[in-house]
Amino acid sequence: GESVGLHLPTLSVQEGDNSIINCAYSNSASDYFIWYKQESGKGPQFIIDIRSNMDKRQGQRVTVLLNKTVKHLSLQIAATQPGDSAVYFCAENILGSNYKLTFGKGTLLTVNP
Amino acid sequence: DTAVSQTPKYLVTQMGNDKSIKCEQNLGHDTMYWYKQDSKKFLKIMFSYNNKELIINETVPNRFSPKSPDKAHLNLHINSLELGDSAVYFCASSPIGRGRGETQYFGPGTRLLVL
Repeated sequence: GESVGLHLPTLSVQEGDNSIINCAYSNSASDYFIWYKQESGKGPQFIIDIRSNMDKRQGQRVTVLLNKTVKHLSLQIAATQPGDSAVYFCAENILGSNYKLTFGKGTLLTVNP
Repeated sequence: DTAVSQTPKYLVTQMGNDKSIKCEQNLGHDTMYWYKQDSKKFLKIMFSYNNKELIINETVPNRFSPKSPDKAHLNLHINSLELGDSAVYFCASSPIGRGRGETQYFGPGTRLLVL
């Protein structure tokens, strides 16, 4: 399968279940966060973003939660569908870094029908 | 279609050769980037340009040289290709400079294999 040799964190869910993908960041000066979805053979696709002055933001079927106290970010996907199967990345922008995005390791989400 | 496009999609070449990857965006963005994604899917920024000016230059061998003829194009030239250069290279753009945030939009990637 796709995960062989990648050593990515993986999450396997049943279709219709909710998924939660987690991300830890280390820099207190991070002021902007993005979640990207990368399907096999494609480029990362923007899903949702959040600024550091917020702790929750909702989109269509997706919610991002930001906990600045413990430097933790999560992506919740409601009613997960087979088309949600992909690698998900969190990315952070550190204030003063010339808008450089630093990407996390990625989590492979597999949705079982 | 409005998008970030890259050519070629696949590039197979011999060690020691020189190659270029082209990127174009028609989103009207001011800033463009090059990223490298390794076999473990780790994405790392290499360069960014804002209005043809180099803004970010990470620790990348000087065999890699970005060129921005105008703000809609950012090409990547690689000299003396090495086996370790094999990766997927992504171009991205963002509307920085217009107060619209830092969201970056990615191209489809160029899969480079050095033999």
